[in-house]
Amino acid sequence: DSGVTQTPKHLITATGQRVTLRCSPRSGDLSVYWYQQSLDQGLQFLIQYYNGEERAKGNILERFSAQQFPDLHSELNLSSLELGDSALYFCASSVGVNSGSYEQYFGPGTRLTVT
Amino acid sequence: AQTVTQSQPEMSVQEAETVTLSCTYDTSESDYYLFWYKQPPSRQMILVIRQEAYKQQNATENRFSVNFQKAAKSFSLKISDSQLGDAAMYFCAVPGTYKYIFGTGTRLKVLA
Repeated sequence: DSGVTQTPKHLITATGQRVTLRCSPRSGDLSVYWYQQSLDQGLQFLIQYYNGEERAKGNILERFSAQQFPDLHSELNLSSLELGDSALYFCASSVGVNSGSYEQYFGPGTRLTVT
Repeated sequence: AQTVTQSQPEMSVQEAETVTLSCTYDTSESDYYLFWYKQPPSRQMILVIRQEAYKQQNATENRFSVNFQKAAKSFSLKISDSQLGDAAMYFCAVPGTYKYIFGTGTRLKVLA
């Protein structure tokens, strides 16, 4: 158990809908990262937050947004969903802001299926 | 730009034998960790081993060890005494700015 929690574990929804994925980092970790993993693909970085502020963006679509709240949990919002958004979404957390120096701990992921 | 290359899409190993998975990378970070993650069919990302780039000694965790060659930017994973439970996707990860960059993965099959 990494100490990172993600809810829900599974989500099935229809095209055009909006969903929210939630992540609680490990106690003491200030950074939260979101990654997307499509079937049989590697992990693609979406976005990072550090202590409530956005620090880095990857290949995140405009239909996607995220935020980190004062209690450090984070939410990833996906809207106008398309079939291609079906994927496993991971949240990871680390103590610091610089990924080079800090280990990231991964949550169990949320499996999103868009039908 | 930071890059990670895993050149072996799939590997097979006989149970109890040794297998080495390769990873090469490029990064502009000066002080960093390198990681190997295992992703079994459950798709949980499990940290297998980490290497601190400033340490010359190769990291070892039980049956897992790395061969880290900083100058060559190579970071291979050796699995000794392979077990059926080692069958999974293996990803190496290196730091980019504010994020990890993952390789495309190597699928390891363990043959009984």
